[in-house]
Amino acid sequence: GQQLNQSPQSMFIQEGEDVSMNCTSSSIFNTWLWYKQDPGEGPVLLIALYKAGELTSNGRLTAQFGITRKDSFLNISASIPSDVGIYFCAGQLMEYGNKLVFGAGTILRVKS
Amino acid sequence: NAGVTQTPKFRILKIGQSMTLQCTQDMNHNYMYWYRQDPGMGLKLIYYSVGAGITDKGEVPNGYNVSRSTTEDFPLRLELAAPSQTSVYFCASSSTGISSEQYFGPGTRLTVT
Repeated sequence: GQQLNQSPQSMFIQEGEDVSMNCTSSSIFNTWLWYKQDPGEGPVLLIALYKAGELTSNGRLTAQFGITRKDSFLNISASIPSDVGIYFCAGQLMEYGNKLVFGAGTILRVKS
Repeated sequence: NAGVTQTPKFRILKIGQSMTLQCTQDMNHNYMYWYRQDPGMGLKLIYYSVGAGITDKGEVPNGYNVSRSTTEDFPLRLELAAPSQTSVYFCASSSTGISSEQYFGPGTRLTVT
């Protein structure tokens, strides 16, 4: 199947710290989306990226579409307890009929 | 708007039983999707639909069936439940394309024993 590598697998950080996670692939993507999933809930869209090099912010969240179109990162600044959850990247892959491919997720835990 | 709703929230099935997972969206989205989520894995696409009357297979369609008779509803059918189908199932919808921003329901946790 299509491969999208998301790292790190999990993070346990102190409240107030900045967080960085990324997704990489050997394939070229046309769109990158970042989702957050709270326990027992469905994923919620955080940021959508549509152009190579695009840098987009949503509050304390910043995401970038890599210039090679093979990667994307998500940064969270000044983490707070409610940032806890699983963060997923998803990319649109032309060779997969433009459907989305999801990363395995980054589990974020915050110590207050 | 309620967005995407799914029923039931939880279900336990015996091997060989059948059931239908319901999904409804009230956003008038043309595109709808079914995913499964297994522990430590990303979401895998089971089936999708680009409009009423049109469905197509995703990455992991075996053991499942779908139908799309209306824009709002996209039920997922398991005919002969197997332990490998134990998973959390998510329905999603999007407005303008298969890769555009997808909105997810709360999920159905299914256990097959």
